[in-house]
Amino acid sequence: TQLLEQSPQFLSIQEGENLTVYCNSSSVFSSLQWYRQEPGEGPVLLVTVVTGGEVKKLKRLTFQFGDARKDSSLHITAAQPGDTGLYLCAGARQAGTALIFGKGTTLSVSS
Amino acid sequence: GAVVSQHPSRVICKSGTSVKIECRSLDFQATTMFWYRQFPKQSLMLMATSNEGSKATYEQGVEKDKFLINHASLTLSTLTVTSAHPEDSSFYICSARDKNYGYTFGSGTRLTVV
Repeated sequence: TQLLEQSPQFLSIQEGENLTVYCNSSSVFSSLQWYRQEPGEGPVLLVTVVTGGEVKKLKRLTFQFGDARKDSSLHITAAQPGDTGLYLCAGARQAGTALIFGKGTTLSVSS
Repeated sequence: GAVVSQHPSRVICKSGTSVKIECRSLDFQATTMFWYRQFPKQSLMLMATSNEGSKATYEQGVEKDKFLINHASLTLSTLTVTSAHPEDSSFYICSARDKNYGYTFGSGTRLTVV
């Protein structure tokens, strides 16, 4: 059973389009994190959301944490080829415990 | 920010041999480190939680006798893949959590068993 359900698993879009990636769970998380990973490298943290209902923006990326702290979303506006990569959501059930990852979303943005 | 150094970045070994992967926290002390495995086009799967000075806690389905974890100091955890076989070929990633900087990941080790 996957603790964090991430969708879609694959996404191929044209430059300039918008997209949203979802991360859902039936469990409550103390925090959820979004990472981006390039091939052959470790994941790099994009953002951490902690408070239910929280919204964070990072340039063209908008992150939301659900009110009940069970789900999160990543929205990219006007996608660019440089956004291509693997996006991962991850959560810790309790502070200090291991991060559990969703299955990831492989994004391909073509020009 | 916190830095986690992982070595080697790539290793090729013969089937039946053992391989050690090191994970170091460079500028902070990590009482707990985490080891993950990632197969091609898949996400990170937690293998074990490494605790300084005590036995590691393994996830269900991970063979503790095959994947030996040692966390002898506050800055170093090692993962030894014993009697490696081709199916152990994967990308192994360590992580450490610092109270100030949160979770930090190493750059990963690509293990190929031939």
